Amino acid sequence: AQSVTQLDSHVSVSEGTPVLLRCNYSSSYSPSLFWYVQHPNKGLQLLLKYTSAATLVKGINGFEAEFKKSETSFHLTKPSAHMSDAAEYFCVVSGGSNYKLTFGKGTLLTVNP
Amino acid sequence: EAGVAQSPRYKIIEKRQSVAFWCNPISGHATLYWYQQILGQGPKLLIQFQNNGVVDDSQLPKDRFSAERLKGVDSTLKIQPAKLEDSAVYLCASSLRRLQETQYFGPGTRLLVL
Repeated sequence: AQSVTQLDSHVSVSEGTPVLLRCNYSSSYSPSLFWYVQHPNKGLQLLLKYTSAATLVKGINGFEAEFKKSETSFHLTKPSAHMSDAAEYFCVVSGGSNYKLTFGKGTLLTVNP
Repeated sequence: EAGVAQSPRYKIIEKRQSVAFWCNPISGHATLYWYQQILGQGPKLLIQFQNNGVVDDSQLPKDRFSAERLKGVDSTLKIQPAKLEDSAVYLCASSLRRLQETQYFGPGTRLLVL
């Protein structure tokens, strides 16, 4: 069994300030973990993925995430927010015999000018 | 490279009517997924195909939902009869192979059941 908890349903930051989106996971397997972004009326886009290599994962658009097994966390960060980062972000865990994806409920990121 | 295509983009129907959604995955992708995303929630897997065979349909409400991928390429998801709670975005995704491969998502079909 696996599950994902995104700790904030809504995060609001000012442009140019750091972004932190928090994610905790639960899995009976050695999980793969992903962050996807969804802009309004567009499909989900992969930001980054962790698959048991380096624990600090770099993704597109300056995002990165750190896998911490002891804390069962996979938080997403970015040093400086841009207006174009405003979107919904989903933390996803994959594992098991068919590597099924289980999505969190999402965090809506708002970036204020 | 063309992405995952879905149609229609929007659909409004009345309860008890039937509706069908179409998905064309990225060329060469063997695995195809249908997800349901209810407002305020993350996507939930409905069914997963590997080529034209079903790998996982454990969360598909089989009394009203059906899906097929006859030639291992494009796929159709049908709801008959629709209920109010089926209002959601239906997302199609594909991946090159099944295990730990990145899934590429289409833009989705937004369904409203009145």
